[in-house]
Amino acid sequence: EDQVTQSPEALRLQEGESSSLNCSYTVSGLRGLFWYRQDPGKGPEFLFTLYSAGEEKEKERLKATLTKKESFLHITAPKPEDSATYLCAVQASQDSSYKLIFGSGTRLLVRP
Amino acid sequence: ETGVTQTPRHLVMGMTNKKSLKCEQHLGHNAMYWYKQSAKKPLELMFVYSLEERVENNSVPSRFSPECPNSSHLFLHLHTLQPEDSALYLCASSQELINQPQHFGDGTRLSIL
Repeated sequence: EDQVTQSPEALRLQEGESSSLNCSYTVSGLRGLFWYRQDPGKGPEFLFTLYSAGEEKEKERLKATLTKKESFLHITAPKPEDSATYLCAVQASQDSSYKLIFGSGTRLLVRP
Repeated sequence: ETGVTQTPRHLVMGMTNKKSLKCEQHLGHNAMYWYKQSAKKPLELMFVYSLEERVENNSVPSRFSPECPNSSHLFLHLHTLQPEDSALYLCASSQELINQPQHFGDGTRLSIL
């Protein structure tokens, strides 16, 4: 069964304290892995798409990487405005492959 | 307007009411989606439309009825809902069904009394 697991469930950081969020996936063939940010009361905001192992994408303080089994979202020198829930989703290369399978998310709190 | 717009943002209804959620996308996308987001659970895909044709009905109870009159608009008609249907309902769109990111609206927070 296709599955996405995110860890940790919650993470508290001091401003400037770099860290990484993990997204482990089990799918029979990966079409793409997507990272989203969700603020309270808002819908998920698209951040990155990764398609193949070894691929990396960067945006400001965020960097996403991909291996054959997991993806990391590295946050360098975070600021309080980076506080949000970060969601990972995968699209599998099989029947009904347009489905995005979401993880439960990591709630990030960055304290000043 | 840009992006994906959902109305209303909040809705409180009784179990016997009938209401509709509306979604409009201004991105020129071909696919649209309805998701349910409950507390501490992953997003659950409900319905998928591609070029106004329904391509997925993910075992959703018949008290939820989707409608896609054109590629820019998506509705979710609600009737005889249950308390466990209280959740955030999110609409999304993507350029194509495969290999494309989905872009989300801010959702409708639904509360069933």
